[in-house]
Amino acid sequence: GAGVSQSPSNKVTEKGKDVELRCDPISGHTALYWYRQSLGQGLEFLIYFQGNSAPDKSGLPSDRFSAERTGGSVSTLTIQRTQQEDSAVYLCASSPSQGHPQETQYFGPGTRLLVL
Amino acid sequence: GQSLEQPSEVTAVEGAIVQINCTYQTSGFYGLSWYQQHDGGAPTFLSYNALDGLEETGRFSSFLSRSDSYGYLLLQELQMKDSASYFCAVRPNAGNNRKLIWGLGTSLAVNP
Repeated sequence: GAGVSQSPSNKVTEKGKDVELRCDPISGHTALYWYRQSLGQGLEFLIYFQGNSAPDKSGLPSDRFSAERTGGSVSTLTIQRTQQEDSAVYLCASSPSQGHPQETQYFGPGTRLLVL
Repeated sequence: GQSLEQPSEVTAVEGAIVQINCTYQTSGFYGLSWYQQHDGGAPTFLSYNALDGLEETGRFSSFLSRSDSYGYLLLQELQMKDSASYFCAVRPNAGNNRKLIWGLGTSLAVNP
């Protein structure tokens, strides 16, 4: 079956513009995560969706960042008024269920965002 | 707070054995996971230790000791393709916040 997909794979934008990043999780996976990763760095948690529960937004760096998940499936991460420090790889991951202790995460290929 | 510590870089030669340690300061958790990430790629799941002891999967093994707050990933018969970053992660088993907590990753360079 298909894995996690993300689009676009690369995005170049001008400072101040808004961008939307899309994530299609594995079908049936109830948990969805967004991470940000700068070159050579670790995974920075952004936001977490689990089923119909309220999302955990504790990792969003500013109010310019928002995310939604429609119908428990596709998710969109929106960055408004982009800044150069937003340049990074944005990774999406899904997992079958928080009910399983192991909760293996399956990652998409990421969107490489460059803000000029 | 909850945190995991890993060495930032490790270097080894082909054919050798390398151990990547992960020490943690966290309250109860379900188990310790390891992920591999090649340059330009996405993290992929390697192994999971729910219980203390050694789990072996081919050339890779992972170990957990809850009493020592410590785990490690052991890579044997190193190959050039093992050059990658390796992340440990745990998921708390109590409280409202049960998302995965990640280490900062260890960059492994395998030299000829």
